Order: sequence, then structure tokens, then C-alpha cells
Amino acid sequence: EIVLTQSPGTLSLSPGERATLSCRASQSVSSNYLAWFQQKPGQAPRLLIYDTSTRATDIPDRFSGSGSGTDFTLTIDRLEPEDFAVYFCHQYVGSPYTFGQGTKLDIK
Amino acid sequence: QVQLVQSGAEVKKPGSSVKVSCKASGGSFNMYALHWVRQAPGRGLEWMGGIIPMLGTADYAQRFQGSVTISADKSTATLYMELSSLGSEDTAVYYCTRGGRLLQPGAFDVWGQGTTVTVS
Repeated sequence: EIVLTQSPGTLSLSPGERATLSCRASQSVSSNYLAWFQQKPGQAPRLLIYDTSTRATDIPDRFSGSGSGTDFTLTIDRLEPEDFAVYFCHQYVGSPYTFGQGTKLDIK
Repeated sequence: QVQLVQSGAEVKKPGSSVKVSCKASGGSFNMYALHWVRQAPGRGLEWMGGIIPMLGTADYAQRFQGSVTISADKSTATLYMELSSLGSEDTAVYYCTRGGRLLQPGAFDVWGQGTTVTVS
């Protein structure tokens, strides 16, 4: 099983700043099958990034993903008020599919 | 665009079972992997298992082997998840979600609205 560890647990920033979220895998994520989700209270997760760096439909270009192997990053440029939420990374190489424990991005 | 609509909230007694449904509309149902993911209060996301309706065989996370049954009705484009021997630790929001096409890896791109199951 691929264990995903996200850091930091909580990130406090102000609107307009850049957020950098990390996701480290316990073993290499083949073919970079790594995704990022955003989740707001009471809502289902929303796919932001798949295949490490491809934005999902209707996701603004201030969201970007990068990385390879075991280290992956989600970057959010010019934070907007609606970006403050919890973010999860997720590997879909194969069963068992796993998620990181989440990073909470809150307003400073 | 495919939509997944789940059944309503459930309150169950410890030791009982619950069956949650997820109806697909607006897209292909049979040829995509469909999964169940749960989220306990204040916790992260946990994959429970999945199925490709066209192939019919379900795949389960090890910790849910023997306690969860995932099935699909192709005629009504409905996915089901039945969880038995419920305990308080099963109190969670349960989501259905779509993965890759057939056996191809694919990010979970479409999600149901979630079904809250409370065991009390």
C-alpha cells in the first residue's frame, strides 16, 4: 500500500499570497498517477489536478501541480478567499487507492 | 456530463447493516470503475472498494473485506454499497465516485453528494 504523507498539517496565509502544499509517497507513484482535491465543509471533494500536473475542467490556472516519483507539490498562486479549504492528495496507481491525511489552508 | 446522485441519510443501530445507493445519469455507467470512499467526522478520505459494472467483479480494501459488498445494477445505472455489522466507527459520510475507464487508472473525477450514515 502506498502511504501518502502531506505537509504541513495546517497552512495559514493571507489572500494574494502563494500556497505550497507537499505530498510525499512511501514508494514511487508510477506514471505520476497523483491527484489533488479541494474540499470545503459539507461538500464532496472536488478534483483539481490529475496526472500530477493536469488541471481538471474549469480549474483556474492559479492552481498548479508538479513532482515525480515520491515527492509532489500543489501550488496555489494569488490566493483567493474561496481557496481556503482542505486539500488532499491521492494516488490512483491501483488498488488499494490511498489519500493523504489533508492540509488545511486557513486565513491568517 | 455524468452525475452521481446518492440516497438519503441513514440512522442505524449497532450490529445492523446499511445499503447506500448511487444513481448515475448523463454518461456511460458500465465502462468506468465506480468506487466508494468514506469520511469519518473530522477525518480524511478512505477508499473502501470499487467495481467496473461491465466486468462485475468488485475489489475491496483489505480492512473492509467481509464487511462490505459493492454491486452494480446495469439496467438502472445504480451502484450499491452494503456495510454490515455496523459499529460507531462506521459513522461517516459515504461517497460514490467515478474512476478510470475499464482497467485504466483514472483520477476520481465525479463525486456523489455524499450520504451520512450515523450508527447510534
